[in-house]
Amino acid sequence: DIQMTQSPSSLSASVGDRVIITCRASQGISNYLAWHQQKPGKVPKLLIYAASTLQSGVPSRFSGSGSGTDFTLTISGLQPEDVATYYCQKYNSALRTFGQGTKVEIK
Amino acid sequence: EVQLVESGGGLVQPGGSLRLSCAASGFTFSSYWLSWVRQAPGKGLEWVANMEQDGSEKYYVDSVKGRFTISRDNAKNSLYLQMNSLRAEDTAVYYCARHRDGEGAFDIWGHGTMVTVSS
Repeated sequence: DIQMTQSPSSLSASVGDRVIITCRASQGISNYLAWHQQKPGKVPKLLIYAASTLQSGVPSRFSGSGSGTDFTLTISGLQPEDVATYYCQKYNSALRTFGQGTKVEIK
Repeated sequence: EVQLVESGGGLVQPGGSLRLSCAASGFTFSSYWLSWVRQAPGKGLEWVANMEQDGSEKYYVDSVKGRFTISRDNAKNSLYLQMNSLRAEDTAVYYCARHRDGEGAFDIWGHGTMVTVSS
C-alpha cells in the first residue's frame, strides 16, 4: 500500500506569513492528490483536488503543487481563520489513504 | 442543499455489532462513489471503506476487512456500514463522504456519528 507522509506534524506561524506543508507519497500517484482542512471541532472540508485545483469557494491564498511523489500546500498570508489541521489524501486507486495531518497554529 | 447525514452511532461492547447509516439529499445519489472515513479521538483521518455507484465494487482498509461491510440502497439514497466484532480501537467519529464527480476527491462530508466500543 502507498503511504502518505506529511511534514511538519505541526507548525506555528504569524498572521501574514507564508506557510508551506509538504506531503510525500511512497510511490508515484500522478496528480491524484487532495488537501482537506479540518478546523477544531468541525467537519473536514476539501480545499484542493488534482494536486493544484482550488475547490470552489476556497480563498485564493491557498494553493497546491506537485506531481508524482512530492506535493505542497501553500498558504500565502496566514489568517487567524486558517487555524486547522490539514490532511493530504491520495486517490489514484480505490484505497484512499490520508497523511497523518499537519496542525497549523498562530504564533 | 447537498447534504449527507449519518446516524446509528452509540456505545457498544467489545465484540458487538452496530450499523451506521448515511442519508443523502440534494444530489443524484446513484451517480456517485461514496466512502466511510473515521477519526479516533484526538487522532487523524482514516479512510475505512468505499463503494462504487451500483455496489459491484467495494474496498476496505486492511484493519476492518472481514469485520465491516459497506452497502448502499440507491432507491433510499442511503449508504450503510455494518460493523461486526467491534474492538476498542474502532472507537471513532465515522463520516460518510461523497467522491467528486468524474474525479475522486471527497467533496462533501457528513457531520459524523460517534461510535464508542467499551465495556
